[in-house]
Amino acid sequence: DAGVIQSPRHEVTEMGQEVTLRCKPISGHDYLFWYRQTMMRGLELLIYFNNNVPIDDSGMPEDRFSAKMPNASFSTLKIQPSEPRDSAVYFCASSLSGLLEQFFGPGTRLTVL
Amino acid sequence: AQKITQTQPGMFVQEKEAVTLDCTYDTSDPSYGLFWYKQPSSGEMIFLIYQGSYDQQNATEGRYSLNFQKARKSANLVISASQLGDSAMYFCAMRGGLASGGTSYGKLTFGQGTILTVHP
Repeated sequence: DAGVIQSPRHEVTEMGQEVTLRCKPISGHDYLFWYRQTMMRGLELLIYFNNNVPIDDSGMPEDRFSAKMPNASFSTLKIQPSEPRDSAVYFCASSLSGLLEQFFGPGTRLTVL
Repeated sequence: AQKITQTQPGMFVQEKEAVTLDCTYDTSDPSYGLFWYKQPSSGEMIFLIYQGSYDQQNATEGRYSLNFQKARKSANLVISASQLGDSAMYFCAMRGGLASGGTSYGKLTFGQGTILTVHP
C-alpha cells in the first residue's frame, strides 16, 4: 500500500513567490496533519483536518499560510507570499482516528531565497 | 497544555548493547497516548511504538520497548541489541485523549529529540 505522498520533494523559490505544497493521505485515513520542522523550533503542528474539515489551525504562523482539504484524498498548504524564514521541511501525516499513530510523508524541503 | 521533554540532546551506544532514551511528559488529561518516532538522516519520520495511558503493560515492538512509569510521567524508549542502522534522531510525542476535547484531541506534541549514534 502506498504511504502518504507529498509533492514536490524539494522546492526552491524566491521571496515573495507563492508556494503550494501537496499531500495525498493514506486511503481511508480520516485525520490529516501538516507539520513544519526547523532546527530552531523542532517539529510544529501547523493545522489538522478531520474528515476534510479543519479542526485546529492555531499553529499556522500567520495569514500568509493557508491550507485546504477539498476531498479525502488531497490537501494543500499554501504560502503567499513566501519569506526566507519559511524555509523548513514540511511534513504531511495521516492517521486512522485521532487516537492512533500518525504516518508521515517524506516531507517537502522548502528553501526561500 | 501538554509538554514533552527529552533531556538528552545526544546519546552514544556500542553496537549490540542496549540503550535508553529518556522522555518525560506533562499533561492534566487523564487519557493520553505516547509515541516514539525515528528520523534517520534521510529525513523521513518512522513510527516505532505506542503506549496508551491506561495500558497495564509496557508496549514492545521487536527490539523496541517502552518503559512507562505513569506516576513519574516518564515514557523512556529502550532499544535492545543496538544496530548501526539505529543511528538516527528519536522523537517522543504525546497526544491528548477524548477528555482534551475540542481541538486538542488527536494533536501530537513532540519533544526536541535525541540523536543516537551507534558505534561499531
